[in-house]
Amino acid sequence: DTAVSQTPKYLVTQMGNDKSIKCEQNLGHDTMYWYKQDSKKFLKIMFSYNNKELIINETVPNRFSPKSPDKAHLNLHINSLELGDSAVYFCASSQVQGTTSSGANVLTFGAGSRLTVL
Amino acid sequence: DQQVKQNSPSLSVQEGRISILNCDYTNSMFDYFLWYKKYPAEGPTFLISISSIKDKNEDGRFTVFLNKSAKHLSLHIVPSQPGDSAVYFCAASVHAGGTSYGKLTFGQGTILTVHP
Repeated sequence: DTAVSQTPKYLVTQMGNDKSIKCEQNLGHDTMYWYKQDSKKFLKIMFSYNNKELIINETVPNRFSPKSPDKAHLNLHINSLELGDSAVYFCASSQVQGTTSSGANVLTFGAGSRLTVL
Repeated sequence: DQQVKQNSPSLSVQEGRISILNCDYTNSMFDYFLWYKKYPAEGPTFLISISSIKDKNEDGRFTVFLNKSAKHLSLHIVPSQPGDSAVYFCAASVHAGGTSYGKLTFGQGTILTVHP
């Protein structure tokens, strides 16, 4: 039973199109995230929602709009896709208080959605 | 401005030997550090973490060392196994409220290959 699932896994589309990536977590976590892994392999945070409320919004073009209908779901909608949007997008969730003995905020990631814009 | 850096893109190690993966950071406000492992076509999975008030944390074959004065941490895997072959990401966070709440800043990863 997948803890953090995101769909679709692969997405190939043309420039200018609008697309969405969906994410669901069944861990009961209160916080969800979107990360982008670009061609240089860095994982960079885009958005974070805590109990459906936006708490982190990095410098992301406003063509990207996250939507959290409930705390188990965080979808990412992208308008007017550009070539530079091609990347792997990872959804993640965490229980903000953390679960490790060191108290770190441990994120559980989905398998990623590879977006290719032609 | 990359606040977390892994300067070795790849590392190759013989099975049974020690693997040492390194990570440097610049933000002195980071107070938690984590290592993640990633296999192809999968998401990163949590491996081990350490608080900035400690200098070592051990979990089985995995040990993380933190040198705050040097702003450097390392992950030791002993003994290395072929199944450890993956991309290893270092991550850091400021465990406080406000806009940094829960945010992990990642390095660019190191590809570890363990040869039988």
